[in-house]
Amino acid sequence: DVKVTQSSRYLVKRTGEKVFLECVQDMDHENMFWYRQDPGLGLRLIYFSYDVKMKEKGDIPEGYSVSREKKERFSLILESASTNQTSMYLCASSLETGNQPQHFGDGTRLSIL
Amino acid sequence: GQNIDQPTEMTATEGAIVQINCTYQTSGFNGLFWYQQHAGEAPTFLSYNVLDGLEEKGRFSSFLSRSKGYSYLLLKELQMKDSASYLCAVRDRVNQGGKLIFGQGTELSVKP
Repeated sequence: DVKVTQSSRYLVKRTGEKVFLECVQDMDHENMFWYRQDPGLGLRLIYFSYDVKMKEKGDIPEGYSVSREKKERFSLILESASTNQTSMYLCASSLETGNQPQHFGDGTRLSIL
Repeated sequence: GQNIDQPTEMTATEGAIVQINCTYQTSGFNGLFWYQQHAGEAPTFLSYNVLDGLEEKGRFSSFLSRSKGYSYLLLKELQMKDSASYLCAVRDRVNQGGKLIFGQGTELSVKP
C-alpha cells in the first residue's frame, strides 16, 4: 500500500526560527510536492521535485526552500518562520506517468507564535 | 491564467444523488482528478479522467468534456460518511513534474 509519511502531525515554533518539515515516501515515486492548505484558499503548491536534486517553484515559494537529496525524502524549510506561515502543510508524491494520482501524507499543522 | 472553479458548498439528503461541477481554464491539460478530503485528514484519490466521457466507480462517477473545460463528480445513494470536501484538480502538462492545479474544493454536507 502507498505510504507518504510526514514527520509531525502538529508543530509549534516561534517567529524567526528555521523550521524543517520532512516527508518520506516508500513507493519509489519520481515526483514529490509540498502544499499548504488554508481555509478559503484551497491547496496551494509551494515547491515540487521531479527527480533527486531537482526542484521547481510552485505558486507560493516565497519564504520557503526545499531539499531532495534522496529519492524517497523531500524536505520543506522555512528559513525564518513568520506568523503568516501558520498553516496545514501537506506532502504528496506520484509516479511520473500521466494517469497516476498524487498520494498525500496526513499533513503537519504548523503554528508559528 | 490558470483557474479552476467549483461551488463552495452543497447540501444533499442521505440516499439522494448529488452532482458537483468543476470548470477549468488551464494552459495545458493532461488529465483531471477528483479527491475526497474529510475534515482534518489528507485528500484521497477518487477518480481520473483524461478522455471525454463518463468513468464509473461504484457509487461515484466522473464526467469530462475537454471542449467545454468541464467535469462533474456524481455521487449516488448518498451516505452520511460522504460528508466531506471534494477537490477537482487538473494536471497541466505532460512532461516532468506533472503538477496539479487544485480548485478550492466543494464542501458537501449530507443530511439525514
